[in-house]
Amino acid sequence: DVKVTQSSRYLVKRTGEKVFLECVQDMDHENMFWYRQDPGLGLRLIYFSYDVKMKEKGDIPEGYSVSREKKERFSLILESASTNQTSMYLCASSGGSSYGYTFGSGTRLTVV
Amino acid sequence: AQSVTQPDIHITVSEGASLELRCNYSYGATPYLFWYVQSPGQGLQLLLKYFSGDTLVQGIKGFEAEFKRSQSSFNLRKPSVHWSDAAEYFCALRGTGFQKLVFGTGTRLLVSP
Repeated sequence: DVKVTQSSRYLVKRTGEKVFLECVQDMDHENMFWYRQDPGLGLRLIYFSYDVKMKEKGDIPEGYSVSREKKERFSLILESASTNQTSMYLCASSGGSSYGYTFGSGTRLTVV
Repeated sequence: AQSVTQPDIHITVSEGASLELRCNYSYGATPYLFWYVQSPGQGLQLLLKYFSGDTLVQGIKGFEAEFKRSQSSFNLRKPSVHWSDAAEYFCALRGTGFQKLVFGTGTRLLVSP
């Protein structure tokens, strides 16, 4: 089975800190995604990547950046964390058009 | 633009009863559609997907979904619900161009004894 691993299940950070959320997949998938999940809003796409060093903005990229230096790793960066970025963050990967996404277990980030 | 609507925020079903979760979509062509389930504190697990062909799709855990083009719907069904089915369910549509998934806002299923 494909595994998507997010390095932290829970994080607490202070306002203004730079925060790194890491995601690793083990199935050589080209496509990787970062979503945030908030009650009543469902999942919203932050950024995605279809190849190493390639990235595209999703629907809510403001306040975030990403890095994909290696195919298996896709990092989400909060340049200066704010309280409105408190959320559940979900990473996913996909191998091709005939596949759905495989999700990690999520990182619940609290910014205080 | 594509969108997915799940009109029910919460649904409560008695254990052993049948279940139908509604999903409506807006898209200009034949969509690729998915249902995911999320248990508390977990990521999302794919239940089933529709790409083309037979409009009744079978998935894992005894779930099925029917694609109805005329109604722009992709409702999820299960004939007999188990307490372990209590979770949040998301319908999703694959958009144009790159493989972005657009999600509905989810339906939380509660199962009563």
